[in-house]
Amino acid sequence: GAVVSQHPSRVICKSGTSVKIECRSLDFQATTMFWYRQFPKQSLMLMATSNEGSKATYEQGVEKDKFLINHASLTLSTLTVTSAHPEDSSFYICSAEIPTGFRTDTQYFGPGTRLTVL
Amino acid sequence: DAKTTQPTSMDCAEGRAANLPCNHSTISGNEYVYWYRQIHSQGPQYIIHGLKNNETNEMASLIITEDRKSSTLILPHATLRDTAVYYCIVTVGNQFYFGTGTSLTVIP
Repeated sequence: GAVVSQHPSRVICKSGTSVKIECRSLDFQATTMFWYRQFPKQSLMLMATSNEGSKATYEQGVEKDKFLINHASLTLSTLTVTSAHPEDSSFYICSAEIPTGFRTDTQYFGPGTRLTVL
Repeated sequence: DAKTTQPTSMDCAEGRAANLPCNHSTISGNEYVYWYRQIHSQGPQYIIHGLKNNETNEMASLIITEDRKSSTLILPHATLRDTAVYYCIVTVGNQFYFGTGTSLTVIP
């Protein structure tokens, strides 16, 4: 299957700082990427849809000024958690959509980034 | 919101077939059924997807009822490495809304 990477895999930061998470599609170009958040023992929650060259679309209840998403190229999307607080501690996962015609039109997920805010 | 319901947990003996059901009674005609699994602290892994015909690949088989209101994922010979949470997702456009999934435990 297609490969999606995330960096870093783990990050610990102090309250009030900002953290950037990178999501890369390694062997294909992704016009659309997605960002999810997962709290312990819960399911994945879609946060936003990231489209290359345009503004992200955020799900209801997700603060766009707190979770900044940039999708400047067809292989890279970034999520910046601004002024992080302990309640932002979570597992952040990205996915990239395979364009129609590659093999199958589906999403491939990165390995996730564990964010801990002290 | 997720449009699927799945049992919370299931057990399966190693080497036997694991049959994981999913109910999606409100599915619309152009929506696909996708299955992913998530092993602890990893990103979800794609398994299979289908529209209305049954599908099979190297990992699993997907059986969709004729009315499309439910489906079953079949792992033909479960191994210990198949222990994971399995998510059934009905697509709304290209966005995935995950339900609670089924925690499958394969028992030696």
